Amino acid sequence: ETGVTQTPRHLVMGMTNKKSLKCEQHLGHNAMYWYKQSAKKPLELMFVYSLEERVENNSVPSRFSPECPNSSHLFLHLHTLQPEDSALYLCASSYRYNEQFFGPGTRLTVL
Amino acid sequence: GESVGLHLPTLSVQEGDNSIINCAYSNSASDYFIWYKQESGKGPQFIIDIRSNMDKRQGQRVTVLLNKTVKHLSLQIAATQPGDSAVYFCAALPSGTYKYIFGTGTRLKVLA
Repeated sequence: ETGVTQTPRHLVMGMTNKKSLKCEQHLGHNAMYWYKQSAKKPLELMFVYSLEERVENNSVPSRFSPECPNSSHLFLHLHTLQPEDSALYLCASSYRYNEQFFGPGTRLTVL
Repeated sequence: GESVGLHLPTLSVQEGDNSIINCAYSNSASDYFIWYKQESGKGPQFIIDIRSNMDKRQGQRVTVLLNKTVKHLSLQIAATQPGDSAVYFCAALPSGTYKYIFGTGTRLKVLA
């Protein structure tokens, strides 16, 4: 266990559904991240929240919407996704510019 | 743009031999580097890190070497074991940012 939990672990959704991914860290970190991991591709940074303020957004489509209500919780709201959005979505946290700890990921399948 | 590349997508080694996995980065402003191990169905797991003011760092059975001149990073695993089978990738962090840049990963296969 890394101290970063993600729910659900698996999610199957249709293109018209709305769902949310949840991440929680118990490490006292002050930065949280969402990554997308697709086969044979490097991890793609989607969002970074530092001290509850979004500091990076790598041109992610608006059908992905992050929310960070406090320094321990991070959500990724999903709506009208496309089949190419199927991937492993990883959450991570860190204390400033230091080692990131990853959660186990949510395996998302969009039908 | 910025990139981090791994030299081999797959590496097969005999159990008990040493493994070397290489990584190249492009951004000279990167000053913090991490090696991760990812097993099937799991998130990436921290192995070892190194900052740019060091050339070498050792952990338990693992060593990371950093050559800033040629922007090259390597992970050495001593006496490779079956439990080391996984995908390994490196990450580079440019100074003053949270924007880690990851490599694509090398799959290490340990042969009995």
